[in-house]
Amino acid sequence: EAQVTQNPRYLITVTGKKLTVTCSQNMNHEYMSWYRQDPGLGLRQIYYSMNVEVTDKGDVPEGYKVSRKEKRNFPLILESPSPNQTSLYFCASTGTSNRGELFFGEGSRLTVL
Amino acid sequence: AQSVTQPDIHITVSEGASLELRCNYSYGATPYLFWYVQSPGQGLQLLLKYFSGDTLVQGIKGFEAEFKRSQSSFNLRKPSVHWSDAAEYFCAVGTSGTYKYIFGTGTRLKVLA
Repeated sequence: EAQVTQNPRYLITVTGKKLTVTCSQNMNHEYMSWYRQDPGLGLRQIYYSMNVEVTDKGDVPEGYKVSRKEKRNFPLILESPSPNQTSLYFCASTGTSNRGELFFGEGSRLTVL
Repeated sequence: AQSVTQPDIHITVSEGASLELRCNYSYGATPYLFWYVQSPGQGLQLLLKYFSGDTLVQGIKGFEAEFKRSQSSFNLRKPSVHWSDAAEYFCAVGTSGTYKYIFGTGTRLKVLA
């Protein structure tokens, strides 16, 4: 089944404790991206990657890191989480044959205390 | 600046009634337009998309949308709403090849039995 898989789905952590949210897709997509969803703000792009070893900042990159060492994986790293990073995070992917349609993971709800 | 506006934060309709969700955009080039639906606890799923050609596009679950260039709008419609349509709906714009997407803030639909 074609899918985007995120882990963990739910996480409660404390300020300053490094964490990684993993994202994996099995559709051989070139493009992958991370979004955060906050009430009243919709989805805002954090980082995106056009292909392996190619990443770039989105609209709200501060406090986040990403890497794209393999085509299927695009982890989101919070080196020192802060409470303002409490949010619902989505990973999405698409390929050149999908005409722009984004395929989303089910989301990772992160709470930073 | 590029932007997407969904003026209705919440909409409530009775089951069987018609539905129209509004989306207005500001975009320099000819945009690619999308509507996504997010059911509770789920990721976003594509309902329909417009790239070119016929300005009335059909999507899944009985939804349709009409692109009106003169009004910079891409409103989503459904002639008869079902209780299972209760969800949050997002309008998005993008451009070919850039993978740059801008999402609206969403409209939450409530369906009364």
